Amino acid sequence: ETGVTQTPRHLVMGMTNKKSLKCEQHLGHNAMYWYKQSAKKPLELMFVYSLEERVENNSVPSRFSPECPNSSHLFLHLHTLQPEDSALYLCASSQGPPERVYEQYFGPGTRLTVT
Amino acid sequence: AQKITQTQPGMFVQEKEAVTLDCTYDTSDPSYGLFWYKQPSSGEMIFLIYQGSYDQQNATEGRYSLNFQKARKSANLVISASQLGDSAMYFCAMREGSSGAGSYQLTFGKGTKLSVIP
Repeated sequence: ETGVTQTPRHLVMGMTNKKSLKCEQHLGHNAMYWYKQSAKKPLELMFVYSLEERVENNSVPSRFSPECPNSSHLFLHLHTLQPEDSALYLCASSQGPPERVYEQYFGPGTRLTVT
Repeated sequence: AQKITQTQPGMFVQEKEAVTLDCTYDTSDPSYGLFWYKQPSSGEMIFLIYQGSYDQQNATEGRYSLNFQKARKSANLVISASQLGDSAMYFCAMREGSSGAGSYQLTFGKGTKLSVIP
C-alpha cells in the first residue's frame, strides 16, 4: 500500500450506533489530519495530530473522538451522530513540524451517511 | 470575511486549450502559503502546486502554473493544454504563519468545478 488509505470507503449508520473510521499513511509523515467535507461548504479541518499529540481541535462536537496511536494511524470514533454529520470525511498527512511549508496528502475519504 | 474566495462555481474549457481558475485570499500575516488541490469524482484531494508568500517567482509544475499577484492577493491556477482527465473540482487553500500549531491549518475555498469538453 502506498500513500494515504482510509477504511471504510462508505458507511451508513444510525444515530445510536458507534463506529470508527480508520486512516493509515505510508509516507513516513509525522502529522495527520481529519477534515469534513459537506455539500456546498468548504473543507473544514477537524483535528490535527503532530508526533501523535493533538495540536488542533476546531470546536468539534464531542460525538467525534479522534485517536492517534502512532504516527502512521489515525482513527475517528463516532457515536450518537446526527443526520447533519453526513459528509465525506477526509484524512490527510504531511511532514512537520512546519519549519517550512509541507503539502498535505489526502486519502480517498469515507462517505458517511447518518440515518 | 472569507479568507479564500473562488468566484467561479463552474468553468468549461475545450480540450487542449488553457484555462485560468481564480483565487483571491485575505490575510494580514506576512508569511503564508497558497495551495491548489484537485478533487476528482472519486473524492481524493490531489495536491497540485504550492506558492510561498516570499517566493519571487511563480510556481510551476508540469502543465500547472500559479499566477501569483501578491499586491492584488490573488493566486490563480493556470492549466495549459487541458485534458479530459482534468475534469474535477479544484480547490484553492491557504496556510497562514510559518510555525506553531495554527500553521498546520489549511483554509479552503468553496471550489471551482472544471469540465473539459472534447
